[in-house]
Amino acid sequence: GENVEQHPSTLSVQEGDSAVIKCTYSDSASNYFPWYKQELGKRPQLIIDIRSNVGEKKDQRIAVTLNKTAKHFSLHITETQPEDSAVYFCAVSGSARQLTFGSGTQLTVLP
Amino acid sequence: DAGITQSPRHKVTETGTPVTLRCHQTENHRYMYWYRQDPGHGLRLIHYSYGVKDTDKGEVSDGYSVSRSKTEDFLLTLESATSSQTSVYFCAINERDANTGELFFGEGSRLTVL
Repeated sequence: GENVEQHPSTLSVQEGDSAVIKCTYSDSASNYFPWYKQELGKRPQLIIDIRSNVGEKKDQRIAVTLNKTAKHFSLHITETQPEDSAVYFCAVSGSARQLTFGSGTQLTVLP
Repeated sequence: DAGITQSPRHKVTETGTPVTLRCHQTENHRYMYWYRQDPGHGLRLIHYSYGVKDTDKGEVSDGYSVSRSKTEDFLLTLESATSSQTSVYFCAINERDANTGELFFGEGSRLTVL
């Protein structure tokens, strides 16, 4: 089945700096790559997604880049704010038609 | 909130007892999912359903069964709970085709097996 690896597992940045989280996947047929944010004690919520026919997508301070050749994609958060502190999960949908999640990254934005 | 509710939200039970978690949706979505969330493992798919009486296994289905007798309800059953099934369980729906659209998650059900 699909194997998704996410790094780093924890990330601390100063407020205003950028944060980057990376995921790699194994199934070359994968075609949908969402990112979810989960605040403490809350449900995961979609923040951005990208499909295999697009290399980059931006939404205000967040962006996702996809490299299908290398089978990796990344989440970029610019001008980080305290409310960005949360756990972020990448996910991949491939030939098995199931969403497989990464193990998560705890992002802490320090004031 | 995409009209998803989970019950119970919290449950403590003993090893060997049966447990059923309920996921209820109000918007007639075809696809429903049960995930478990554990530290260091992210969200792992247990079972999913693509219609009434249509279900399939996910990555970690051993020890779990599901039923979907009507569109709005997707039940997850632990026939004989074990301590390794202590976890937070999330139900989710997808308003489009399987896994090509946004998943909306319920608020989660925290299960503790003593």
